[in-house]
Amino acid sequence: AQKITQTQPGMFVQEKEAVTLDCTYDTSDQSYGLFWYKQPSSGEMIFLIYQGSYDEQNATEGRYSLNFQKARKSANLVISASQLGDSAMYFCAMREAQAGTALIFGKGTTLSVSS
Amino acid sequence: ETGVTQTPRHLVMGMTNKKSLKCEQHLGHNAMYWYKQSAKKPLELMFVYNFKEQTENNSVPSRFSPECPNSSHLFLHLHTLQPEDSALYLCASKAEGGGRFNEQFFGPGTRLTVL
Repeated sequence: AQKITQTQPGMFVQEKEAVTLDCTYDTSDQSYGLFWYKQPSSGEMIFLIYQGSYDEQNATEGRYSLNFQKARKSANLVISASQLGDSAMYFCAMREAQAGTALIFGKGTTLSVSS
Repeated sequence: ETGVTQTPRHLVMGMTNKKSLKCEQHLGHNAMYWYKQSAKKPLELMFVYNFKEQTENNSVPSRFSPECPNSSHLFLHLHTLQPEDSALYLCASKAEGGGRFNEQFFGPGTRLTVL
């Protein structure tokens, strides 16, 4: 079974609009962390935002926020006021405390921002 | 100097060749990772090194051979590869117990094509 599921292969949004990228996860671990990374066409994975399983507040980093719904095991990324430079692949990832330090990634969502 | 560098950025090799990928991090981290990113598949963890010791080998075929001579450098030695090994190979590093969110920092990747 997939640990990280991203159901949207591609998303399209206009500049200045908000967009939500979906991510659901599967774990039996009580302690885990959820990450979102951005991968532009250059290939480098850029860390965006983190949510710990025990964090009660949704994480926010500038225009990025994470809509964490623990009971539903979802960790959606919300990008507000989209910019052309936001066009990229976005990956949701999880680190389980019992599984070491490596990350488990979803298949990613391609976001295209148009003017 | 950017945090994590990888060379070469692009590599084309035949199935009988031997080549090596290099990763270098300038962040003082002590954990390093190799990931494989194939088209339409999630990033797959290959190897993990902590303090120069290999701590995870994710059932990677022996035609991939990692080497970590020190905490700043990580190599992936390649020999007798198959065309299905063509992918983007990403290196990442992390400070043990460090970083705001214990996040991994990625290099730009090596785009490998096996003919």
